[in-house]
Amino acid sequence: DAKTTQPNSMESNEEEPVHLPCNHSTISGTDYIHWYRQLPSQGPEYVIHGLTSNVNNRMASLAIAEDRKSSTLILHRATLRDAAVYYCISGTASKLTFGTGTRLQVTL
Amino acid sequence: DTGVSQNPRHKITKRGQNVTFRCDPISEHNRLYWYRQTLGQGPEFLTYFQNEAQLEKSRLLSDRFSAERPKGSFSTLEIQRTEQGDSAMYLCASSLGGTSGNTIYFGEGSWLTVV
Repeated sequence: DAKTTQPNSMESNEEEPVHLPCNHSTISGTDYIHWYRQLPSQGPEYVIHGLTSNVNNRMASLAIAEDRKSSTLILHRATLRDAAVYYCISGTASKLTFGTGTRLQVTL
Repeated sequence: DTGVSQNPRHKITKRGQNVTFRCDPISEHNRLYWYRQTLGQGPEFLTYFQNEAQLEKSRLLSDRFSAERPKGSFSTLEIQRTEQGDSAMYLCASSLGGTSGNTIYFGEGSWLTVV
């Protein structure tokens, strides 16, 4: 599995956009980039995934660099409920390998 | 609720006892995964099934751990002779096919405390 690198923590003010970066310089050509988030005492929650093109859904947007060595998860308007650990994963066809993720703090 | 269901949600057991966790995946999902998560760490892969076949096991899955998915539907994870180091959250997940383009959906987890 390709190794991903994320900042340990980030802070944001409520109602502001948040850009969560991820480096995956060893990603293979067929690996998708997945983002999950985890609230305290809950299982990971799917956020978004993509291969090459930027992706949008109701939760977030995913911007993928042209060389696919990095990506950015964009929360357009952070709320207190978005405070969580965000995991960026580039996985094989059989499983996802989680790192330690980015802990996002959202303040009023 | 049609998500991944795990039982029990919490289990406290004495060291040396056996425990079993059950997972009911999303209906028609042919892949089922088990992960383990300790405090401050991301989930760690343990094993996965394609239908009833166990296709991969992590080296984290010692001989005291066994997972089954007898009819390709629900799965059980048994830990024999529990140790304090087994205390963790055990996560089950399911997907329709592999992870490359498919979404893995996780359950809420089963917390194990070994005293």
